[in-house]
Amino acid sequence: GQQLNQSPQSMFIQEGEDVSMNCTSSSIFNTWLWYKQDPGEGPVLLIALYKAGELTSNGRLTAQFGITRKDSFLNISASIPSDVGIYFCAGQRSNQFYFGTGTSLTVIP
Amino acid sequence: ETGVTQSPTHLIKTRGQQVTLRCSSQSGHNTVSWYQQALGQGPQFIFQYYREEENGRGNFPPRFSGLQFPNYSSELNVNALELDDSALYLCASSLGRGPNYGYTFGSGTRLTVV
Repeated sequence: GQQLNQSPQSMFIQEGEDVSMNCTSSSIFNTWLWYKQDPGEGPVLLIALYKAGELTSNGRLTAQFGITRKDSFLNISASIPSDVGIYFCAGQRSNQFYFGTGTSLTVIP
Repeated sequence: ETGVTQSPTHLIKTRGQQVTLRCSSQSGHNTVSWYQQALGQGPQFIFQYYREEENGRGNFPPRFSGLQFPNYSSELNVNALELDDSALYLCASSLGRGPNYGYTFGSGTRLTVV
C-alpha cells in the first residue's frame, strides 16, 4: 500500500527546543491528520486538517495542510519530556488512512 | 464512555495456524477499521466495516477476513498464518464512515508468528 514520506526519521532535541517535521506524498489527500503513538499503545489523534492551506493549532502543536494537498508539517514549540514518542502523519482518502513512516522524537531533559 | 478495546493484547501462533482478533468499538460508533502495523512502520489499512458490511479493503490477501456484529464489535480473522503476519493489529472506530469523522484507535493486539 501507499506510504507517505515523513522526515526526519528521528530527532534528538533538548527540552525547551522547538520541533518541526513534515510529510510528503505523490498523491493528493482531502484530509491530513497527525497522530502520536506511545510504546504499547495505539495512535492518538493530535490535529486534523480539512482544507488546503489550513493552519491549525492545538496547544503547543501547530500543523498546516499544504496548498498542493500533497504535504503537511507539524511543529511542536517548547518541547517537554512527555512529547517523547513516534509521530505519524496520515492522509485520508475516502474511508482509508495512509500513514507515514513515522518520526521518532526523543527529548533530552 | 469506554474507548476502543482489543483482545487479546498479545498472542503467539505457529505458522499455518489461524487466529481471531477482537475489537469492541467505542460506544455509539458504527464503523470499525483494522490496520496492520509492522515493527518500525506506519499502520497499513486492512479493511473497514460499516453497519456489518465491508466498506473498503486494502492490499491484503483473502486469508485476511473480518466480521462486524450487530453491536458493532468486530473480528479480524487470519488464516494460514505466515511469519510476515507478525505485527501489531490495530482497530479504530468512528461514528461514521465519512472523512470528517474522528477515529479512535485501540491499543492493539501484538501477534507473533513463529
